[in-house]
Amino acid sequence: AQSVTQLGSHVSVSEGALVLLRCNYSSSVPPYLFWYVQYPNQGLQLLLKYTTGATLVKGINGFEAEFKKSETSFHLTKPSAHMSDAAEYFCAVSATGANNLFFGTGTRLTVIP
Amino acid sequence: DAGVTQSPTHLIKTRGQQVTLRCSPKSGHDTVSWYQQALGQGPQFIFQYYEEEERQRGNFPDRFSGHQFPNYSSELNVNALLLGDSALYLCASSPKTGRGSDTGELFFGEGSRLTVL
Repeated sequence: AQSVTQLGSHVSVSEGALVLLRCNYSSSVPPYLFWYVQYPNQGLQLLLKYTTGATLVKGINGFEAEFKKSETSFHLTKPSAHMSDAAEYFCAVSATGANNLFFGTGTRLTVIP
Repeated sequence: DAGVTQSPTHLIKTRGQQVTLRCSPKSGHDTVSWYQQALGQGPQFIFQYYEEEERQRGNFPDRFSGHQFPNYSSELNVNALLLGDSALYLCASSPKTGRGSDTGELFFGEGSRLTVL
């Protein structure tokens, strides 16, 4: 069985500051891991994904995440927050690629000017 | 290249009624998944269709049913609506699965927001 826990339903950072959104997963098999972003009144857009190979994954808009098997974590980071990063971020896990993703409850990121 | 399109964008129903939501997948995709996103929650997997058949199903009652057409578009039907069915219903498509070309990425539509009164 797969599940995801996102620590912190709301995160606020100043513009230009480091963004760190936390995600821990549980999976009975080697996981596929994803971060999606959702802007108000829109669907979800893939930021990045981990399937196999390199554990540091780079995505769009300057985001990256590192798969740490020993910590069962897949935290999302960005060195410098921009106002346009304000959105809801969802971590998701799957046992089989794009099939049947299990999403976390989301973290709302606020960027303070 | 059109992405995933869903209709209607908003609708209001009363308890006990039935609703049909529609989805057209991204060009080149043949697998469609449906998710329910309640307010303040993450999306929850309802089911997935591929080759006009339901392939996987989440923990949803039989009141939730679906269909996929030969052109890969899909419908989600919900019968005997309950207040708790109020949510954003998201359709997502992905490239051909089961043939070694699964990219592990879902493309989501903007959703259909259902309000049950």
